Amino acid sequence: DTAVSQTPKYLVTQMGNDKSIKCEQNLGHDTMYWYKQDSKKFLKIMFSYNNKELIINETVPNRFSPKSPDKAHLNLHINSLELGDSAVYFCASSQDLKADSTDTQYFGPGTRLTVL
Amino acid sequence: AQSVTQLDSHVSVSEGTPVLLRCNYSSSYSPSLFWYVQHPNKGLQLLLKYTSAATLVKGINGFEAEFKKSETSFHLTKPSAHMSDAAEYFCVVSQWGGYNKLIFGAGTRLAVHP
Repeated sequence: DTAVSQTPKYLVTQMGNDKSIKCEQNLGHDTMYWYKQDSKKFLKIMFSYNNKELIINETVPNRFSPKSPDKAHLNLHINSLELGDSAVYFCASSQDLKADSTDTQYFGPGTRLTVL
Repeated sequence: AQSVTQLDSHVSVSEGTPVLLRCNYSSSYSPSLFWYVQHPNKGLQLLLKYTSAATLVKGINGFEAEFKKSETSFHLTKPSAHMSDAAEYFCVVSQWGGYNKLIFGAGTRLAVHP
């Protein structure tokens, strides 16, 4: 069974379009995250949610709007896509909101977004 | 604030020789440190983590890392490289007791030659 899954795996779209990426985890975790990996492989956190509540928002443009319908899902909607949004987006989940000795973040396979 | 510096962007080894991937960290608090691996066009997999227990941490696939507070380092090693080890490796820090926010290093690409 896949622990953290994302759809779609690849997404190619035109500038100005609106698109969504879905993420689901079956680990029973309370906290979910979105990370962005740029063309140089650099990974940076965008958002985290705990029990459907926004916890971390790393000054991401308003065009990005995460939505958590329940604690097993965290979707990422992007409005008015720009060329600079091209990246690989990773979803992750962990049990706890706060870092401690037993917690680990588990990552999904990633969604490669290409904006033309 | 926390940060990590991976000292080598590329490392190339021959199959069967030792691997050393270097990482220095900066943290105002007791850090949790991780190594993740990303194989080409794949997601991120946790190799190992340090969380203030033993300073020598053993991970999957024969990798291990040693936490050295005096040197603020957390280098990743493996005695004998295998072709399947070729991948991108990320050193990561998370703030102890803070929100579970991972801060990634820039990554080290490991190439393994026959």
